[in-house]
Amino acid sequence: GAGVSQSPRYKVAKRGQDVALRCDPISGHVSLFWYQQALGQGPEFLTYFQNEAQLDKSGLPSDRFFAERPEGSVSTLKIQRTQQEDSAVYLCASSPFTGSSGNTIYFGEGSWLTVV
Amino acid sequence: GENVEQHPSTLSVQEGDSAVIKCTYSDSASNYFPWYKQELGKGPQLIIDIRSNVGEKKDQRIAVTLNKTAKHFSLHITETQPEDSAVYFCAAGGSQGNLIFGKGTKLSVKP
Repeated sequence: GAGVSQSPRYKVAKRGQDVALRCDPISGHVSLFWYQQALGQGPEFLTYFQNEAQLDKSGLPSDRFFAERPEGSVSTLKIQRTQQEDSAVYLCASSPFTGSSGNTIYFGEGSWLTVV
Repeated sequence: GENVEQHPSTLSVQEGDSAVIKCTYSDSASNYFPWYKQELGKGPQLIIDIRSNVGEKKDQRIAVTLNKTAKHFSLHITETQPEDSAVYFCAAGGSQGNLIFGKGTKLSVKP
């Protein structure tokens, strides 16, 4: 596709359920990022992949959050035992370059998660 | 770690006027400063960026200035139009490699 594609666009989960959010980066992009954006706030970094390697997961808020990119393309962000504070937009971004410092990254439309 | 402050949080201007949004950052090692526009229900869209070896950059009605000594950078939009209404985010490329975002400015352009 032409841009970063995320699915589902909207997800309502009951507290305690597990959710999986998918990201299809721009074809050929080496770097992939996940960000969390709470209502009225700026995006906050969660994790970074270079190809299939997860090089930075310092932003993941708890061990309930897990991300993978097994073949260096599609990525999945999984949240186990969801809690209300997990309600946010989860943004995926990709870049043709390694790292993000000094390099342009392109965002998808986001997956809106509401935990009830 | 890096911290980015953005002001104002809301900005209302008349169509045709200019709008200025300012950001400060804390990590002197940051060397990349993008600006994103986010419309309701959409992801952030890059509108302009600047790197630390440049003081100013223009793209039609949009310009960004950078003062590395003061750790300030600003977005200037001239001849604003109603379609410029959105939330604007500044960001700084952190020394750890990821982008740190400001909290955003909601710009409203009144026709």
